[in-house]
Amino acid sequence: KAGVTQTPRYLIKTRGQQVTLSCSPISGHRSVSWYQQTPGQGLQFLFEYFSETQRNKGNFPGRFSGRQFSNSRSEMNVSTLELGDSALYLCASSRTTRDGNYGYTFGSGTRLTVV
Amino acid sequence: GQQVMQIPQYQHVQEGEDFTTYCNSSTTLSNIQWYKQRPGGHPVFLIQLVKSGEVKKQKRLTFQFGEAKKNSSLHITATQTTDVGTYFCAGVGTYKYIFGTGTRLKVLA
Repeated sequence: KAGVTQTPRYLIKTRGQQVTLSCSPISGHRSVSWYQQTPGQGLQFLFEYFSETQRNKGNFPGRFSGRQFSNSRSEMNVSTLELGDSALYLCASSRTTRDGNYGYTFGSGTRLTVV
Repeated sequence: GQQVMQIPQYQHVQEGEDFTTYCNSSTTLSNIQWYKQRPGGHPVFLIQLVKSGEVKKQKRLTFQFGEAKKNSSLHITATQTTDVGTYFCAGVGTYKYIFGTGTRLKVLA
């Protein structure tokens, strides 16, 4: 079956611009989570969506937002880009359990560079 | 807030040597997951441990969950060059998994 698909793979934006990243989860996975990965900070949780509802949000400023559609596809948006937003943005889908999930399947990520 | 720390941060081993990474949580975990990320790649799910004291094996990899469910370890026997990468543990918080800081493994042939 198809894996988690993230588009685009690479993106270069100018400071102050906004960007939208897309994620298509594995078919049947209703939970989609977003993580930011940087060399210095590791994997930082951004937010999780389940059945179009944001269930949890990490400690990121309001410039970071997301949404999930009825087909479970998800987008995240970053407005007013800053140099520090340069990172690999990873989307992960999963089947959930009562206490968590059965393991994330990550996409290949979107490498965002802000200049 | 909940923190998940891993040690060591880096490890260089000669091919054939063993390797262990340790994961410690500030809070009790309902379960713990392990992932491997190859250089330039994305994290790939390896395993999930749920029970206190649980031990699971995958070929040369042995995973343990502590009795108090606050720590875990991953041990690789007789490392190979294909084991190169960063190993992350992840402990569940409220609807989200907190990833450890990762251990980057280099295997010298």
